[in-house]
Amino acid sequence: QKEVEQDPGPLSVPEGAIVSLNCTYSNSAFQYFMWYRQYSRKGPELLMYTYSSGNKEDGRFTAQVDKSSKYISLFIRDSQPSDSATYLCAFPIQGAQKLVFGQGTRLTINP
Amino acid sequence: GAGVSQSPSNKVTEKGKDVELRCDPISGHTALYWYRQSLGQGLEFLIYFQGNSAPDKSGLPSDRFSAERTGGSVSTLTIQRTQQEDSAVYLCASSLGRNQPQHFGDGTRLSIL
Repeated sequence: QKEVEQDPGPLSVPEGAIVSLNCTYSNSAFQYFMWYRQYSRKGPELLMYTYSSGNKEDGRFTAQVDKSSKYISLFIRDSQPSDSATYLCAFPIQGAQKLVFGQGTRLTINP
Repeated sequence: GAGVSQSPSNKVTEKGKDVELRCDPISGHTALYWYRQSLGQGLEFLIYFQGNSAPDKSGLPSDRFSAERTGGSVSTLTIQRTQQEDSAVYLCASSLGRNQPQHFGDGTRLSIL
């Protein structure tokens, strides 16, 4: 079993839709949870960073963590064509100072 | 402010040649990381620096790969005797310190012919 599972998509939705992106993980030691956005031919850009179960909101983005189910989600409200990118979940390994990434979900928002 | 800067942005070289990839972290960031991103493998950790020392080199795939960091700033990743499977995007990230969010550069796209 992979340490992190993320549906690679591609996912295509109309502008204005609510988008749900998900990752599951198997390592109970993961305590921090991140979402990165990566545009084509660019580096990953940190979107959300949280360590507790529950929801964290930042503008149109909401990160949701369920530690008991080892499941995290990123919701995008009122999606825009500029949100078209690959979204990667990432988990810091404590004490090891490295990130374990999901495969990334490629998202396209159609005008 | 300036982000993480990587050079060159693209590199094409022949199999067997050595290549050097450079990373300039965000000013004041003491931690620096190298990752590799390829289609089949996703984003994989290579090496972590705290200051000039590398406490974790566990991701380097073979002894053809090495990295150094000088002055607590610029880092160089060197690949000797390149192979076709080394073709990938090499990404550098930096952070303020341990357990802090990592910020990435745009990578060097390496192609081995």
